Amino acid sequence: QQKVQQSPESLIVPEGGMASLNCTSSDRNVDYFWWYRQHSGKSPKMLMSIFSNGEKEEGRFTVHLNKASLHTSLHIRDSQPSDSALYLCAASMWAGNTGKLIFGLGTTLQVQP
Amino acid sequence: EAAVTQSPRNKVAVTGGKVTLSCHQTNNHDYMYWYRQDTGHGLRLIHYSYGAGSTEKGDIPDGYKASRPSQENFSLILELATPSQTSVYFCASGDALGGLNQDTQYFGPGTRLLVL
Repeated sequence: QQKVQQSPESLIVPEGGMASLNCTSSDRNVDYFWWYRQHSGKSPKMLMSIFSNGEKEEGRFTVHLNKASLHTSLHIRDSQPSDSALYLCAASMWAGNTGKLIFGLGTTLQVQP
Repeated sequence: EAAVTQSPRNKVAVTGGKVTLSCHQTNNHDYMYWYRQDTGHGLRLIHYSYGAGSTEKGDIPDGYKASRPSQENFSLILELATPSQTSVYFCASGDALGGLNQDTQYFGPGTRLLVL
């Protein structure tokens, strides 16, 4: 069973619309969450990270974290065709401090012009 | 931005052959990682290293060896390649700083490996 689960598996939004992606960890040892974006044929690049309860905004991107439920969400407002990509959620633990990431399977976002 | 390079970018190998994938980073990161990415399985950690001379098993180490001869270089070795090892392989580097000073991992461009 995936320790990091993402939903939906795929998402289509119109240009200018809002995209909402979800991620939950089943491992209670998780302390940190990351969102990566991977365009087709490219490598993953970190988009945002969140370590504390609450919300964090950077431009058109907002992440939320509820540490009690180990749930994070990524919201993209005013979506652009260039946002079309695979969005990966990753989690890591403070314990051991190896920096190891556990990745979900991802959400494929398609923004239609 | 952190720079991680991989070679080769594409590789075709024969079953039973030896394959070496190389990774080089110029950011002086202590940690380096090897992942493979497959549809339906996502990114999975094969081996990682916390410094020159060290290698640690990740989640799917069977059939793979790793070598970290220096801070900058980290290799993944398939001694006897099998078709099931056909995949896209990513190397990444980063620092595990602890607490709220967590740094991200920076990924290389990937190597597409086809084992026939």
